[in-house]
Amino acid sequence: AQSVTQLDSQVPVFEEAPVELRCNYSSSVSVYLFWYVQYPNQGLQLLLKYLSGSTLVKSINGFEAEFNKSQTSFHLRKPSVHISDTAEYFCAVSDRGSGTYKYIFGTGTRLKVLA
Amino acid sequence: DGGITQSPKYLFRKEGQNVTLSCEQNLNHDAMYWYRQDPGQGLRLIYYSQIVNDFQKGDIAEGYSVSREKKESFPLTVTSAQKNPTAFYLCASIPGHGFPGYTFGSGTRLTVV
Repeated sequence: AQSVTQLDSQVPVFEEAPVELRCNYSSSVSVYLFWYVQYPNQGLQLLLKYLSGSTLVKSINGFEAEFNKSQTSFHLRKPSVHISDTAEYFCAVSDRGSGTYKYIFGTGTRLKVLA
Repeated sequence: DGGITQSPKYLFRKEGQNVTLSCEQNLNHDAMYWYRQDPGQGLRLIYYSQIVNDFQKGDIAEGYSVSREKKESFPLTVTSAQKNPTAFYLCASIPGHGFPGYTFGSGTRLTVV
Protein backbone atom coordinates (compact mmCIF):
# COMPACT_ATOMS: atom_id res chain seq x y z
CA ALA A 1 0.00 0.00 0.00
CA GLN A 2 1.08 3.52 -0.68
CA SER A 3 2.52 5.56 2.18
CA VAL A 4 3.96 9.04 2.53
CA THR A 5 6.77 10.00 4.88
CA GLN A 6 7.48 13.50 6.12
CA LEU A 7 10.45 12.92 8.35
CA ASP A 8 10.52 16.37 9.94
CA SER A 9 7.60 17.06 12.25
CA GLN A 10 8.84 20.59 12.98
CA VAL A 11 11.22 22.87 11.12
CA PRO A 12 12.30 26.19 12.69
CA VAL A 13 14.01 28.64 10.35
CA PHE A 14 14.92 32.31 10.49
CA GLU A 15 13.16 34.82 8.30
CA GLU A 16 14.77 35.24 4.84
CA ALA A 17 16.62 31.92 5.18
CA PRO A 18 16.02 29.03 2.74
CA VAL A 19 13.99 26.00 3.76
CA GLU A 20 13.40 22.48 2.49
CA LEU A 21 10.53 20.28 3.68
CA ARG A 22 11.08 16.65 2.78
CA CYS A 23 8.52 14.21 1.38
CA ASN A 24 9.06 10.62 0.28
CA TYR A 25 6.46 8.16 -0.90
CA SER A 26 6.68 4.40 -0.95
CA SER A 27 5.41 3.08 -4.24
CA SER A 28 6.99 3.53 -7.61
CA VAL A 29 3.68 3.27 -9.48
CA SER A 30 2.66 6.31 -11.45
CA VAL A 31 1.40 8.97 -9.06
CA TYR A 32 0.04 12.46 -8.66
CA LEU A 33 1.79 14.53 -5.98
CA PHE A 34 0.62 17.51 -3.95
CA TRP A 35 1.68 19.94 -1.26
CA TYR A 36 -1.00 21.54 0.90
CA VAL A 37 -0.69 24.27 3.53
CA GLN A 38 -2.86 24.56 6.64
CA TYR A 39 -3.19 27.57 8.95
CA PRO A 40 -4.55 27.02 12.49
CA ASN A 41 -8.15 25.83 12.65
CA GLN A 42 -8.58 26.06 8.90
CA GLY A 43 -8.91 23.66 6.00
CA LEU A 44 -6.08 22.76 3.67
CA GLN A 45 -5.13 24.94 0.72
CA LEU A 46 -3.45 23.55 -2.37
CA LEU A 47 0.07 24.94 -2.64
CA LEU A 48 1.31 23.10 -5.72
CA LYS A 49 0.87 19.87 -7.61
CA TYR A 50 2.68 17.55 -9.96
CA LEU A 51 0.44 15.80 -12.47
CA SER A 52 2.73 15.27 -15.45
CA GLY A 53 5.32 17.04 -17.58
CA SER A 54 8.06 19.17 -16.04
CA THR A 55 9.34 17.69 -12.81
CA LEU A 56 9.82 21.14 -11.24
CA VAL A 57 6.61 22.83 -10.21
CA LYS A 58 6.21 26.26 -8.67
CA SER A 59 3.62 28.15 -6.67
CA ILE A 60 2.72 31.81 -6.96
CA ASN A 61 4.20 32.66 -3.56
CA GLY A 62 7.74 31.40 -4.20
CA PHE A 63 7.58 27.74 -3.20
CA GLU A 64 8.76 25.03 -5.56
CA ALA A 65 8.91 21.25 -5.50
CA GLU A 66 10.72 18.74 -7.65
CA PHE A 67 9.43 15.30 -8.52
CA ASN A 68 12.23 12.73 -8.38
CA LYS A 69 10.96 9.39 -9.61
CA SER A 70 14.11 7.41 -8.87
CA GLN A 71 14.18 8.60 -5.26
CA THR A 72 10.36 8.66 -4.92
CA SER A 73 10.59 12.14 -3.45
CA PHE A 74 8.76 15.44 -3.80
CA HIS A 75 10.60 17.90 -1.55
CA LEU A 76 9.27 21.42 -1.04
CA ARG A 77 11.68 24.36 -1.10
CA LYS A 78 11.65 28.10 -0.72
CA PRO A 79 14.79 30.24 -1.12
CA SER A 80 13.70 32.91 1.36
CA VAL A 81 10.90 32.45 3.89
CA HIS A 82 8.64 35.05 5.49
CA ILE A 83 6.92 35.14 8.85
CA SER A 84 3.63 34.58 7.02
CA ASP A 85 4.87 31.17 5.81
CA THR A 86 4.47 29.84 9.35
CA ALA A 87 1.98 27.00 8.97
CA GLU A 88 1.70 23.24 8.70
CA TYR A 89 2.54 21.66 5.37
CA PHE A 90 1.22 18.33 4.14
CA CYS A 91 2.49 16.20 1.30
CA ALA A 92 -0.04 13.92 -0.43
CA VAL A 93 0.08 11.25 -3.13
CA SER A 94 -2.57 9.62 -5.27
CA ASP A 95 -2.14 6.63 -7.56
CA ARG A 96 -2.93 7.55 -11.16
CA GLY A 97 -4.51 4.27 -12.09
CA SER A 98 -6.88 3.90 -9.14
CA GLY A 99 -9.68 6.02 -10.57
CA THR A 100 -10.80 6.94 -7.05
CA TYR A 101 -8.58 10.02 -6.52
CA LYS A 102 -8.03 9.01 -2.91
CA TYR A 103 -5.11 10.78 -1.32
CA ILE A 104 -2.59 9.39 1.12
CA PHE A 105 -1.28 12.18 3.33
CA GLY A 106 1.94 12.51 5.23
CA THR A 107 1.86 13.40 8.92
CA GLY A 108 2.69 17.03 8.24
CA THR A 109 5.60 19.39 8.92
CA ARG A 110 5.17 22.47 11.08
CA LEU A 111 7.21 25.31 9.64
CA LYS A 112 8.01 27.99 12.21
CA VAL A 113 9.59 31.12 10.79
CA LEU A 114 11.51 33.12 13.39
CA ALA A 115 12.12 36.85 13.31
CA ASP B 1 -18.05 32.49 -4.74
CA GLY B 2 -17.90 28.74 -5.18
CA GLY B 3 -16.62 26.59 -2.37
CA ILE B 4 -17.28 24.03 0.31
CA THR B 5 -19.18 24.93 3.47
CA GLN B 6 -18.79 22.84 6.58
CA SER B 7 -20.98 23.37 9.60
CA PRO B 8 -20.85 23.75 12.47
CA LYS B 9 -17.29 24.95 13.00
CA TYR B 10 -17.27 23.59 16.57
CA LEU B 11 -19.38 20.73 17.89
CA PHE B 12 -19.62 19.13 21.30
CA ARG B 13 -20.99 15.66 21.82
CA LYS B 14 -21.88 13.72 24.90
CA GLU B 15 -20.91 10.09 25.25
CA GLY B 16 -23.42 7.83 23.47
CA GLN B 17 -24.82 10.47 21.15
CA ASN B 18 -24.84 10.49 17.37
CA VAL B 19 -23.94 13.77 15.67
CA THR B 20 -24.07 14.83 12.03
CA LEU B 21 -21.53 17.08 10.35
CA SER B 22 -22.68 19.01 7.32
CA CYS B 23 -20.74 19.42 4.07
CA GLU B 24 -22.21 21.40 1.16
CA GLN B 25 -20.48 22.38 -2.09
CA ASN B 26 -21.59 24.67 -4.91
CA LEU B 27 -18.72 23.78 -7.23
CA ASN B 28 -20.70 21.19 -9.20
CA HIS B 29 -18.06 18.64 -8.23
CA ASP B 30 -18.86 14.96 -8.68
CA ALA B 31 -16.67 13.42 -5.99
CA MET B 32 -16.64 14.23 -2.27
CA TYR B 33 -14.50 12.98 0.60
CA TRP B 34 -14.40 13.00 4.39
CA TYR B 35 -11.07 13.01 6.23
CA ARG B 36 -10.26 12.94 9.89
CA GLN B 37 -7.25 14.88 11.21
CA ASP B 38 -5.52 14.06 14.49
CA PRO B 39 -2.35 15.74 15.78
CA GLY B 40 0.76 14.01 14.47
CA GLN B 41 -1.22 11.58 12.29
CA GLY B 42 -1.99 13.61 9.23
CA LEU B 43 -5.32 13.07 7.48
CA ARG B 44 -7.05 9.73 7.18
CA LEU B 45 -9.89 8.91 4.79
CA ILE B 46 -13.24 8.01 6.35
CA TYR B 47 -15.64 7.77 3.37
CA TYR B 48 -15.83 9.00 -0.20
CA SER B 49 -18.47 9.28 -2.88
CA GLN B 50 -17.85 9.58 -6.60
CA ILE B 51 -21.48 9.86 -7.70
CA VAL B 52 -24.87 10.49 -6.15
CA ASN B 53 -26.37 7.56 -4.22
CA ASP B 54 -23.04 5.76 -4.07
CA PHE B 55 -20.24 5.87 -1.50
CA GLN B 56 -17.27 3.78 -0.43
CA LYS B 57 -15.51 3.14 2.87
CA GLY B 58 -12.12 4.62 3.41
CA ASP B 59 -9.42 3.48 5.78
CA ILE B 60 -11.19 4.31 9.06
CA ALA B 61 -14.93 3.97 8.35
CA GLU B 62 -15.88 2.12 11.53
CA GLY B 63 -18.23 4.18 13.71
CA TYR B 64 -19.14 6.56 10.89
CA SER B 65 -21.92 6.70 8.29
CA VAL B 66 -22.62 8.92 5.26
CA SER B 67 -25.26 9.58 2.63
CA ARG B 68 -25.15 11.19 -0.81
CA GLU B 69 -28.70 11.96 -1.83
CA LYS B 70 -27.78 15.17 -3.63
CA LYS B 71 -24.71 16.04 -5.64
CA GLU B 72 -23.93 19.09 -3.51
CA SER B 73 -24.32 17.47 -0.08
CA PHE B 74 -22.32 14.78 1.74
CA PRO B 75 -23.17 14.70 5.47
CA LEU B 76 -21.13 12.60 7.91
CA THR B 77 -22.69 11.02 11.00
CA VAL B 78 -20.42 10.16 13.87
CA THR B 79 -22.18 7.36 15.73
CA SER B 80 -21.87 6.22 19.32
CA ALA B 81 -19.88 3.25 18.00
CA GLN B 82 -16.94 5.56 17.27
CA LYS B 83 -14.88 5.19 20.42
CA ASN B 84 -12.57 8.13 19.96
CA PRO B 85 -14.44 10.78 17.95
CA THR B 86 -12.64 13.88 19.17
CA ALA B 87 -10.86 15.21 16.08
CA PHE B 88 -10.88 17.79 13.31
CA TYR B 89 -13.03 16.68 10.36
CA LEU B 90 -12.40 17.92 6.84
CA CYS B 91 -14.60 17.59 3.78
CA ALA B 92 -13.15 17.84 0.27
CA SER B 93 -14.30 17.59 -3.32
CA ILE B 94 -12.97 17.32 -6.88
CA PRO B 95 -14.68 17.58 -10.26
CA GLY B 96 -14.28 13.88 -10.97
CA HIS B 97 -12.60 14.40 -14.29
CA GLY B 98 -9.22 15.92 -14.97
CA PHE B 99 -7.36 16.29 -11.70
CA PRO B 100 -6.78 19.77 -10.33
CA GLY B 101 -6.55 18.66 -6.71
CA TYR B 102 -8.93 18.69 -3.79
CA THR B 103 -10.87 21.71 -2.64
CA PHE B 104 -11.24 21.54 1.15
CA GLY B 105 -13.82 22.99 3.48
CA SER B 106 -12.74 24.88 6.61
CA GLY B 107 -13.40 21.91 8.90
CA THR B 108 -15.45 20.97 11.95
CA ARG B 109 -13.81 20.42 15.30
CA LEU B 110 -15.69 17.75 17.25
CA THR B 111 -15.12 17.34 20.98
CA VAL B 112 -16.61 14.66 23.21
CA VAL B 113 -17.58 16.00 26.62
